[in-house]
Amino acid sequence: NAGVMQNPRHLVRRRGQEARLRCSPMKGHSHVYWYRQLPEEGLKFMVYLQKENIIDESGMPKERFSAEFPKEGPSILRIQQVVRGDSAAYFCASSPGTGPVPLHFGNGTRLTVT
Amino acid sequence: GENVEQHPSTLSVQEGDSAVIKCTYSDSASNYFPWYKQELGKRPQLIIDIRSNVGEKKDQRIAVTLNKTAKHFSLHITETQPEDSAVYFCAATTGFGNEKLTFGTGTRLTIIP
Repeated sequence: NAGVMQNPRHLVRRRGQEARLRCSPMKGHSHVYWYRQLPEEGLKFMVYLQKENIIDESGMPKERFSAEFPKEGPSILRIQQVVRGDSAAYFCASSPGTGPVPLHFGNGTRLTVT
Repeated sequence: GENVEQHPSTLSVQEGDSAVIKCTYSDSASNYFPWYKQELGKRPQLIIDIRSNVGEKKDQRIAVTLNKTAKHFSLHITETQPEDSAVYFCAATTGFGNEKLTFGTGTRLTIIP
């Protein structure tokens, strides 16, 4: 039973480019959570999605960031016009929505903006 | 919203000794409290969790205690080993319809051989 899958593991973007991060939840899970971890810091909640719905985006910056979880396919976190401050590790976790249940994280995407 | 504070930020203990990390939370509705261990460059991994209807939970060398009245919970690691060196995060959630976790700021635990 595969865990939460994230890709790419590492992503390098120049300032002003777009970054797309993907998260495939565990089998049978329809709820996805995205977290950001700046270097030497803790995990900060960004957004919580169910299939085709954004449930809570209270941690998402108002500009340049968006997330989706379509009916088919992985959840996507999209960062437009990246800046150096976006450099961080982005982790995704999933749950079946019958919570609270342990959240298990994917291996993360490490975004570096040059 | 929920606020979770974690202390200490760094902790060094001799191998074989015990380590204790403490967290407090603000939302009295929080009912689920997991602990994660994160090694350098890796993902956070769940090591133990506790629900609000339980005061203590133990798994081999790791235990967690919860005081709902005081709104604090603690991680206890006994007979520490070098492989316990990592950053540990506590977290809390109300878990009703939204299982998002609010994390503490982390404790860097170093085990001295």
